[in-house]
Amino acid sequence: QVQLVQSGAEVKKPGASVKVSCKASGYTFTGYYMHWVRQAPGQGLEWMGWINPNNGGTNYAQQFQGRVTMTKDTSINTAYMELRRLRSDDTAVYYCVRESGYCGGGSCFNWFDPWGQGTLVTVSS
Amino acid sequence: DIQMTQSPSSLSASVGDRVTITCRASQSISFFLNWYQQKPGKAPKLLIYAASSLQSGVPSRFNGSGSGTDFTLTISGLQPEDFTTYYCQQSYSTSYTFGQGTKLEIK
Repeated sequence: QVQLVQSGAEVKKPGASVKVSCKASGYTFTGYYMHWVRQAPGQGLEWMGWINPNNGGTNYAQQFQGRVTMTKDTSINTAYMELRRLRSDDTAVYYCVRESGYCGGGSCFNWFDPWGQGTLVTVSS
Repeated sequence: DIQMTQSPSSLSASVGDRVTITCRASQSISFFLNWYQQKPGKAPKLLIYAASSLQSGVPSRFNGSGSGTDFTLTISGLQPEDFTTYYCQQSYSTSYTFGQGTKLEIK
């Protein structure tokens, strides 16, 4: 079955960097965009960006431009999200999620499914 | 960026009730609207895509409708496991913005 398994929880100090991994299985890794979404404690969902595992192309949300880098290693079907210059308000659960979709009637519809289990990143001095 | 506004932010209902959650987009997004359910401590789960298509395995008591700027998620015959948080998401633009969430609580 399609599955995304993320790396474990991290504790970082302000100003440090964190790199979260997301290992995909059960489908052709290069065939689907991978997105990253985060959720601060008690808050809603915030889209961070995507990577095209086929060619490494990326698109980042404006608020993360310059601080985030999404990469992939197709030899091990794994996507990565690195966030730099961490602040306390970066404390959140970070999810990877596969983009799925279909095209019909002249439009292409996309949605997020499945999701990884989430990785808690805590930023604290 | 397209803003997504859900209402209400929280809602109380009883088992067996029918409830409706509304999601409004700041501009027309056609049918590019998805709904997710999130239980505490878990990742979100896709319920509805393309405004009204039910994801495989999702019970038929979940129904999505709407187009343009106004969308609804209706849950008929609430079950105990339905009392959790729901999010809408637009996929019209590549900012993929989510609504702020609606928490469904037991009355």
